[in-house]
Amino acid sequence: DIVMTQSPLSLPVTPGEPASISCRSSQSLLHSNEYNYLDWYLQKPGQSPQLLIYMGSDRASGVPDRFSGSGSGSDFTLKISRVEAEDVGVYYCMQTLQSPYTFGQGTKLEIK
Amino acid sequence: EVQLVESGGGLVQPGRSLRLSCRASGFTFGDYGMSWFRQAPGKGLEWVSFIRSKAYGGTAEYAASVEGRFSVSRDDSKSIAYLQMNSLKAEDTALYYCSRKYYDDSGSQGANWGQGTLVTVSS
Repeated sequence: DIVMTQSPLSLPVTPGEPASISCRSSQSLLHSNEYNYLDWYLQKPGQSPQLLIYMGSDRASGVPDRFSGSGSGSDFTLKISRVEAEDVGVYYCMQTLQSPYTFGQGTKLEIK
Repeated sequence: EVQLVESGGGLVQPGRSLRLSCRASGFTFGDYGMSWFRQAPGKGLEWVSFIRSKAYGGTAEYAASVEGRFSVSRDDSKSIAYLQMNSLKAEDTALYYCSRKYYDDSGSQGANWGQGTLVTVSS
């Protein structure tokens, strides 16, 4: 199975400041079609997860442009350019390259 | 409006069975693969199973933790996906979600999730 490792696991951020979360996979998520099969999700408190980024760097439908994804192969980053209060929650990366699809441990973003 | 509504959760004894349903509305259910996820209390997300649309063979994939015990199916005429859970264990206790991915008119991917149904396995 592909192991996904996120860091940090806890991320206190001042509103208006940037934030960055790292996600590393135990094997490359780059498919022969040149897409990286890596999604980012945000689970706000008490809510179902919501898709933020797919294919490593494509912003999902309706997601604010302050969220961006980058990286390729086994090393990925989710960046929030300016954190807002509504961004609190747990962020997960998930690989969909091969079954079983696997998640990172989650990164809890909180407002300072 | 797209909706996914899970049902069928509850309290069940270890070793017993339960069938979850995911009722979909607002889109052509048969055109989409459907996923099941779960989240144990206070824990992270875990992918459980995926069933392809009939156009892609209707085949399924499973997490190792449920392979051989859980079975996913779909009834496109009713727009429902099912998760049959047998030989339940305490570690299957979780909030179970169904989800589908789609592409919108601009070509961007999105995902719909239900609100989940809680399964508690305990004697």
